[in-house]
Amino acid sequence: GNSVTQMEGPVTLSEEAFLTINCTYTATGYPSLFWYVQYPGEGLQLLLKATKADDKGSNKGFEATYRKETTSFHLEKGSVQVSDSAVYFCALSDRGNRDDKIIFGKGTRLHILP
Amino acid sequence: DVKVTQSSRYLVKRTGEKVFLECVQDMDHENMFWYRQDPGLGLRLIYFSYDVKMKEKGDIPEGYSVSREKKERFSLILESASTNQTSMYLCASTPPRLANTEAFFGQGTRLTVV
Repeated sequence: GNSVTQMEGPVTLSEEAFLTINCTYTATGYPSLFWYVQYPGEGLQLLLKATKADDKGSNKGFEATYRKETTSFHLEKGSVQVSDSAVYFCALSDRGNRDDKIIFGKGTRLHILP
Repeated sequence: DVKVTQSSRYLVKRTGEKVFLECVQDMDHENMFWYRQDPGLGLRLIYFSYDVKMKEKGDIPEGYSVSREKKERFSLILESASTNQTSMYLCASTPPRLANTEAFFGQGTRLTVV
């Protein structure tokens, strides 16, 4: 079945550091890949997405590239800010499947220190 | 602006009570989902629905039921609340899979069962 694995947290970085959060997936069809962000006390909101191999999603300085050969969708940001402190979820939806479920990773909590 | 609205941000209920969590979306989406979120476990799917009066069990349906009488509204019911159902509950909606877009989430309901 489909699954998403992302790196365990928490991840603690200093402001302006480089961020990578790893995400790998397994899927039987043609998945679309997503990163969601959850700020404290809030629901999830879409950060970026990619719908086919080699697509790059980007938003708010974050980027992730859909790598079919390594089944990965790692999240990166060149210089993090304190306001980036949140929980980040990698997710996929598989258009080849009968159902429309979205599969989430367990989430990675990010702390940015000033 | 598209919206998924959950009826309460915070709820405190007593053990054994019947609890209703309401979710309404204004995007005319076919698919609606209920998740619970617990530390270290990520998002776990409780129930989902592809259409009015249709429902499917997710990964952890025990102790829960759902109702979808209208397309825009999806209710989660705790038949007899227990302390192990203390959690953050998140509702989400998506259009059909061929639309290939992301899920939209409500702000979450933090339920405490005492």
